[in-house]
Amino acid sequence: DQQVKQNSPSLSVQEGRISILNCDYTNSMFDYFLWYKKYPAEGPTFLISISSIKDKNEDGRFTVFLNKSAKHLSLHIVPSQPGDSAVYFCAASAGGLQGAQKLVFGQGTRLTINP
Amino acid sequence: KAGVTQTPRYLIKTRGQQVTLSCSPISGHRSVSWYQQTPGQGLQFLFEYFSETQRNKGNFPGRFSGRQFSNSRSEMNVSTLELGDSALYLCASSSLQGGDYEQYFGPGTRLTVT
Repeated sequence: DQQVKQNSPSLSVQEGRISILNCDYTNSMFDYFLWYKKYPAEGPTFLISISSIKDKNEDGRFTVFLNKSAKHLSLHIVPSQPGDSAVYFCAASAGGLQGAQKLVFGQGTRLTINP
Repeated sequence: KAGVTQTPRYLIKTRGQQVTLSCSPISGHRSVSWYQQTPGQGLQFLFEYFSETQRNKGNFPGRFSGRQFSNSRSEMNVSTLELGDSALYLCASSSLQGGDYEQYFGPGTRLTVT
């Protein structure tokens, strides 16, 4: 039962344009959502998070949008840079702060930024 | 601040052996979580420790266990290793920053079971 789904295994975007990575979830009890970037043979790098009481959170070039009614979140990267090429994972947790550490991950989307 | 550190980075063991992995969280973080990453199953939660107590647990067999020390450092142990235990084992520590929950991962320990 895949509770967190990233339906696009790959995405290719031109440098300088906007990258939009999407994530859908099925568990309405999720209350924290996080995005990670990962290179091969390395641990995931935390990018940005959002709690279910918000619908938008921004940090520099990264913005996460949460649509609770659609059970959908997206990560926007503007402008996209070659160094953004990596696999991106969305993750979610339920159970408030006490359960927040038990993250459920999507399968990842490979983002390639073309010069 | 130093990030999450894990030792060793690489490990090769044979079936039936046991292994212990170590993790030091970011200074001031009291929660340590462990994850297993494999090509087939992706990133899966193993367990989480907070103040030396296991607080959350994933769906892994009892061969996988852990503990946390008073300085928040954590160890994970896998007994009676199987070939399927070959994976990248990741440790993470977490904090709450201005209402936003953040979880930071270490570089991982690559375990190969032969």
